Amino acid sequence: SQTIHQWPATLVQPVGSPLSLECTVEGTSNPNLYWYRQAAGRGLQLLFYSVGIGQISSEVPQNLSASRPQDRQFILSSKKLLLSDSGFYLCAWNAGLNEKLFFGSGTQLSVL
Amino acid sequence: AQTVTQSQPEMSVQEAETVTLSCTYDTSESDYYLFWYKQPPSRQMILVIRQEAYKQQNATENRFSVNFQKAAKSFSLKISDSQLGDAAMYFCAYLKTSYDKVIFGPGTSLSVIP
Repeated sequence: SQTIHQWPATLVQPVGSPLSLECTVEGTSNPNLYWYRQAAGRGLQLLFYSVGIGQISSEVPQNLSASRPQDRQFILSSKKLLLSDSGFYLCAWNAGLNEKLFFGSGTQLSVL
Repeated sequence: AQTVTQSQPEMSVQEAETVTLSCTYDTSESDYYLFWYKQPPSRQMILVIRQEAYKQQNATENRFSVNFQKAAKSFSLKISDSQLGDAAMYFCAYLKTSYDKVIFGPGTSLSVIP
């Protein structure tokens, strides 16, 4: 069966520090991968999505970036965090045969 | 660009009663998928129900059903016999094809009153 792992669950970082959030999917190949951000009490904002290795589409201009070094690995990064980067980050995937999204458990990022 | 709108930021329902959450979307496509996701306080996103646009029959999943009006681009969720565990944020979502991005609405916060 397919599983998605996202870590860490909680992260507190100072302003200006780098960021690396990792997401991996098991049990499937060539998944579509997504990074969403959810501000407190708000909806989901799509940040990046990828339909294959090295293929990244950015939805919102910001100081975040994403990479997909392997088929089932999706990384969200920043060189210098801003206060406005605080939020709940969700990784998700879906596949051609089953289009519903499967979500990771999320990372609560607090930038202080 | 596709957009998804949920006009009700907050809703409440009495336990055991029925509630309907609204969703409208904008698209020029004829084939697409629509979803309702639930996010309880644990923040884990849970798929509630899925509808394929080419199917005229409304999807049903136990106490959850949808009213899909393709021409009106409307996709409402009906929860029957509401339970305390139904209290959550509900997100409507749109997907054009299997290899495209999923777009979410802003969400509706549902409270269930005992």
